[in-house]
Amino acid sequence: EVQLVESGGGLVKPGGSLRLSCAASGFTFSSYSMNWVRQAPGKGLEWVSSISSSSSYIYYADSVKGRFTISRDNAKNSLYLQMNSLRAEDTAVYYCARDRIPAAFDLWGRGTLVTVSS
Amino acid sequence: EIVLTQSPGTLSLSPGERATLSCRASQSVSSSYLAWYQQKPGQAPRLLIYGASSRATGIPDRFSGSGSGTDFTLTISRLEPEDFAVYYCQQYGSSPRAFGQGTKVEIK
Repeated sequence: EVQLVESGGGLVKPGGSLRLSCAASGFTFSSYSMNWVRQAPGKGLEWVSSISSSSSYIYYADSVKGRFTISRDNAKNSLYLQMNSLRAEDTAVYYCARDRIPAAFDLWGRGTLVTVSS
Repeated sequence: EIVLTQSPGTLSLSPGERATLSCRASQSVSSSYLAWYQQKPGQAPRLLIYGASSRATGIPDRFSGSGSGTDFTLTISRLEPEDFAVYYCQQYGSSPRAFGQGTKVEIK
């Protein structure tokens, strides 16, 4: 089955760190760029970061630049998001999404909830 | 940076009616890399339209997209009960790959 499964979310204190993972299956992971998208409670979608298939190109939203690091391990069919210096405003469900230009974000995981609170 | 503005914020319609959702970009979207997603409560977004007008796999033909440059439209020809949801547009031709703020289609 073609799917993405996120993990690693949880409760963390402000200033803390968390590492999210996204496990891909059912497709050739190494052929696709990947993204992280988040959604704060009751709010809209916010693109967070993207990484090309070979990790050559990496982009971040200004809101997370310098604090979050996206990476991938094609041998393990996995995508990661290292989140440091977390703030209350980083509280959100984090989704990983496959990027299939020109077909946009055509596959999404179910998301993992990150709560930043003291 | 391209900013997307969706209107209206909420659309109140009855099943069987036609829904027209707008997405306006602050600058031209390259190669019409404009997508539409549907999201229901507690679920991940679902790709409906890419390239401004191409339906994603398995999407019913009552969903259609149009537009180019800075003005884009998602049309649902006849609303089914399962279509009441929030819809987002997104430009994915350049970084940041911004989303619009969403339009909620609710039952009147």
